[in-house]
Amino acid sequence: GNSVTQMEGPVTLSEEAFLTINCTYTATGYPSLFWYVQYPGEGLQLLLKATKADDKGSNKGFEATYRKETTSFHLEKGSVQVSDSAVYFCAFEPTGANSKLTFGKGITLSVRP
Amino acid sequence: EAGVAQSPRYKIIEKRQSVAFWCNPISGHATLYWYQQILGQGPKLLIQFQNNGVVDDSQLPKDRFSAERLKGVDSTLKIQPAKLEDSAVYLCASSLDRVAGANVLTFGAGSRLTVL
Repeated sequence: GNSVTQMEGPVTLSEEAFLTINCTYTATGYPSLFWYVQYPGEGLQLLLKATKADDKGSNKGFEATYRKETTSFHLEKGSVQVSDSAVYFCAFEPTGANSKLTFGKGITLSVRP
Repeated sequence: EAGVAQSPRYKIIEKRQSVAFWCNPISGHATLYWYQQILGQGPKLLIQFQNNGVVDDSQLPKDRFSAERLKGVDSTLKIQPAKLEDSAVYLCASSLDRVAGANVLTFGAGSRLTVL
């Protein structure tokens, strides 16, 4: 069945370090892919998305490329900041009417000064 | 624009009691979702409404959970009777429509339920 797998956490980095959070999915067809972020005390919010193979989503210095051949959508940022400390969720939505958004387990990122 | 409003933010009850959560979506958003987020897990869809009709409630424990969206705007999620394993954050989200093939959801801050 459809599923999404995120790397195990938590992740702790120093400020200005490079970040990679792995995400792979299992789905038929060409799902849409998302990264959502949950800052402390706030609701989930969309960080970036990609709707077809080789698309690159980007926002706030974060990037993720839709790789159909490896069924992956890894999140990267070249230089993290303390304000990036949050929980990050990979998610996908299969094609088709009324398909539902499915989330990974989430990974906690802590950035220390 | 105003975001998705949820209340209460926090609720503590004893098992077998009942609880209700309220959600007001973004104005004009036709689709409304309720998700359950258990600590350490990703959100799980409980129910999805399109206007005031149910699109998907396949993961809603219907023996104890119920939800309604009267008039296609506000929604209420009820749990009766509550069990210990219902302790979670209940997230409400809404979406306007599919945007460029991707359905973008806007989430509320959530209602945290603790069942003792």
